[in-house]
Amino acid sequence: GEDVEQSLFLSVREGDSSVINCTYTDSSSTYLYWYKQEPGAGLQLLTYIFSNMDMKQDQRLTVLLNKKDKHLSLRIADTQTGDSAIYFCAVLMDSSYKLIFGSGTRLLVRP
Amino acid sequence: DAGVIQSPRHEVTEMGQEVTLRCKPISGHNSLFWYRQTMMRGLELLIYFNNNVPIDDSGMPEDRFSAKMPNASFSTLKIQPSEPRDSAVYFCASSLDRQTTEAFFGQGTRLTVV
Repeated sequence: GEDVEQSLFLSVREGDSSVINCTYTDSSSTYLYWYKQEPGAGLQLLTYIFSNMDMKQDQRLTVLLNKKDKHLSLRIADTQTGDSAIYFCAVLMDSSYKLIFGSGTRLLVRP
Repeated sequence: DAGVIQSPRHEVTEMGQEVTLRCKPISGHNSLFWYRQTMMRGLELLIYFNNNVPIDDSGMPEDRFSAKMPNASFSTLKIQPSEPRDSAVYFCASSLDRQTTEAFFGQGTRLTVV
């Protein structure tokens, strides 16, 4: 089945850029997502990208997709302490319409 | 719309008891998903419904788990009998259709089985 992998932890200084990486195995996925989970809360969609795109920018967020390597990344510019959360990469499997999540990357922003 | 509403927010129960988690999806959404989140296994899809019909329940861990969606505005996830290893946060999510740009998540139910 589909496997989505992320590194578990990332620590950055406030004002720096954060880059969270994700790899997946299902090359037929049409939609790829980044979700954010704050403590005690549900998941909130941050942004998404279609598989026919290489890059998508939305304010401080930049998503890069390398289909050949099945690699997705989320860059957060000018990272703020409020960005501290767990970030999940998710891939929609076209064959079953299942949304498969990675294990999440915990981002810690140091003042 | 108030978003996806789950109840209760917290549930503490004794091993062997029946537990029922409830979810009200966003009005007009056709797909509903139940997820379980634990430290060890992360987010796992348990089951999802489309137009009130269960489409894939391959993620349901055991026969002790069952889910229903009697109408478009309500779903339940039941565990009977509950066990300590069922302790987790259970999320319900809904989306407009199966191929969608966004699944909206509820706040989750934190279940503790002692």
